[in-house]
Amino acid sequence: QVQLVESGGGLVKPGGSLRLSCAASGFTFNDYYMSWIRQAPGKGLEWVSYISPTSYTNYADSLKGRFTISRDNAKNSLYLQINSLRAEDTAVYYCARDGYNTNYFEYWGQGTLVTVSS
Amino acid sequence: NFMLTQPHSVSESPGKTVTISCTGSSGSIASHYVQWYQQRPGSAPTAVIFEDNQRPSGVPDRFSGSIDSSSNSASLTISGLKNEDEADYYCQSYDSSNHVVFGGGTKLTVL
Repeated sequence: QVQLVESGGGLVKPGGSLRLSCAASGFTFNDYYMSWIRQAPGKGLEWVSYISPTSYTNYADSLKGRFTISRDNAKNSLYLQINSLRAEDTAVYYCARDGYNTNYFEYWGQGTLVTVSS
Repeated sequence: NFMLTQPHSVSESPGKTVTISCTGSSGSIASHYVQWYQQRPGSAPTAVIFEDNQRPSGVPDRFSGSIDSSSNSASLTISGLKNEDEADYYCQSYDSSNHVVFGGGTKLTVL
């Protein structure tokens, strides 16, 4: 069965950096678009970025520049590098997989919490 | 910037039918498919409708989606409401730059 397991979250000071990981299993990783979506405490969903099987990337305009999505198809892993962290980046970060031949988020991980605070 | 607007909350009684709207700010909502996600407290979202009106495997046919081009809106309709349907619902689509756009979410209360 499809599994997406995020890791790398935690408490970080403003201005710091963090690399989130998403370990994928149960499907052919390099066949699918993958995405990061975040949710601040008590708030709605916010798309961060997606990456194609061949590493074409797209980012939310408000986040472009501090966030870098990448993937390692050999390791079945998705990554999100976040630099210059701000308090407003505090959120649960989900990785998600597209459906086969469709562009919707068919599978989601359980998320990893990033807290930015001094 | 393209935005999707949802009502903050809706409520209805068990067994009844409820409809949640999702209105596009500009352009035609029919230009890109609309998806709907259900999120229960403490859990990750799950899709209940994709490509405007398709149900993922395992989603009951009580859930249906539609598009109304005249009002530039999408709708999620849940019939035969059950207590377990109480959750937050998000619509999602794309803008002209193929950026993913989510609606602000609607809290459904089953009275």
